[in-house]
Amino acid sequence: NAGVTQTPKFQVLKTGQSMTLQCAQDMNHEYMSWYRQDPGMGLRLIHYSVGAGITDQGEVPNGYNVSRSTTEDFPLRLLSAAPSQTSVYFCASRPRASSYNEQFFGPGTRLTVL
Amino acid sequence: QQQVKQSPQSLIVQKGGISIINCAYENTAFDYFPWYQQFPGKGPALLIAIRPDVSEKKEGRFTISFNKSAKQFSLHIMDSQPGDSATYFCAARLTGSNYQLIWGAGTKLIIKP
Repeated sequence: NAGVTQTPKFQVLKTGQSMTLQCAQDMNHEYMSWYRQDPGMGLRLIHYSVGAGITDQGEVPNGYNVSRSTTEDFPLRLLSAAPSQTSVYFCASRPRASSYNEQFFGPGTRLTVL
Repeated sequence: QQQVKQSPQSLIVQKGGISIINCAYENTAFDYFPWYQQFPGKGPALLIAIRPDVSEKKEGRFTISFNKSAKQFSLHIMDSQPGDSATYFCAARLTGSNYQLIWGAGTKLIIKP
């Protein structure tokens, strides 16, 4: 199993550009989520999905869109990048929303918006 | 209030010493308290977790102590080693709301040889 994979690993954007961060998991997990990690602020939930076709907003959803057309993939779209979106982005998955099982994280995407 | 407050922000411990990281919460709707460990350039990974019906859980050198009445829980690392140097996050699972994890701000731990 590859676990949770994320691409790209690094990305530099100019203000106003759009892009998609890719996330895929091969563990057949129902629950997937996107976090951003900023110094001194821990992990903040952007969007999450409890299954294919179902998504919902987390704590900091503004400026981001998601979709979940398959169990495996959960892309995160930045609509019009802003410097405030400079961060490290992590995708995570776990078997079900209600599961006590651990949440598996991808290696992260470091995004810089100029 | 959904916050989980974690302290200290950073911690330096001598090799062989005990590292202690504390977290506090206010929301009684939390029902599961995991600790995650993150090495530089990597995603967080589950280290140890506890449910509120027990006061302590130990796995090797790592122990969670849980005080339900005080709404506090802490991570103790015994015989700390340089390989334990990492950022540690506490979290709390919120019942309902699709069981989201609410995260502490993280503690950067450095173990000096």
